[in-house]
Amino acid sequence: DAGVIQSPRHEVTEMGQEVTLRCKPISGHNSLFWYRQTMMRGLELLIYFNNNVPIDDSGMPEDRFSAKMPNASFSTLKIQPSEPRDSAVYFCASSFRGGAEAFFGQGTRLTVV
Amino acid sequence: SQQGEEDPQALSIQEGENATMNCSYKTSINNLQWYRQNSGRGLVHLILIRSNEREKHSGRLRVTLDTSKKSSSLLITASRAADTASYFCATGPTSGNTPLVFGKGTRLSVIA
Repeated sequence: DAGVIQSPRHEVTEMGQEVTLRCKPISGHNSLFWYRQTMMRGLELLIYFNNNVPIDDSGMPEDRFSAKMPNASFSTLKIQPSEPRDSAVYFCASSFRGGAEAFFGQGTRLTVV
Repeated sequence: SQQGEEDPQALSIQEGENATMNCSYKTSINNLQWYRQNSGRGLVHLILIRSNEREKHSGRLRVTLDTSKKSSSLLITASRAADTASYFCATGPTSGNTPLVFGKGTRLSVIA
């Protein structure tokens, strides 16, 4: 397995634009997590899914953020409209279940100008 | 909310020395894990210690867990320049299928 795959690796966009981040988890993993990492706040959990169902999205900062997992092999995190304070590295991770060893993607570095 | 708190925030040592990083947490756990992150990359799992274990080894890594003090330590022996990275502890909750909670990490610099 190639591991968790995220795309794009880098994204630069203008304020107000819609941004979509994509993630392909490891096959067979039942849990998927979206994290955001900044120098100031560290690694924050935004939302997680178990068996494609969103369980807890209390970490999503605002209604501008939304996430979907239409099937076991694909998830998206969308920001609409984007703002400069959304600039961060966004990680997707998957595991067999919550609390087990997590496998991280390489992240998407988002810059909103 | 962040569960684990690593200490120190940054550590700089000479190659060949041992590096010790500590992690404290607040609530009961099922397990505690350590991860490594190289600059610009994703986190990589290093080692997992269960709540009923006190010590675990993996190569040059030694992890201890003291559940009475709610603390863990990660020791890297005979450090190398390639060990330069950020190290995070993460706690696996006792309550069912819930995610890991990460600390803010320790930035380790190993000087050749």
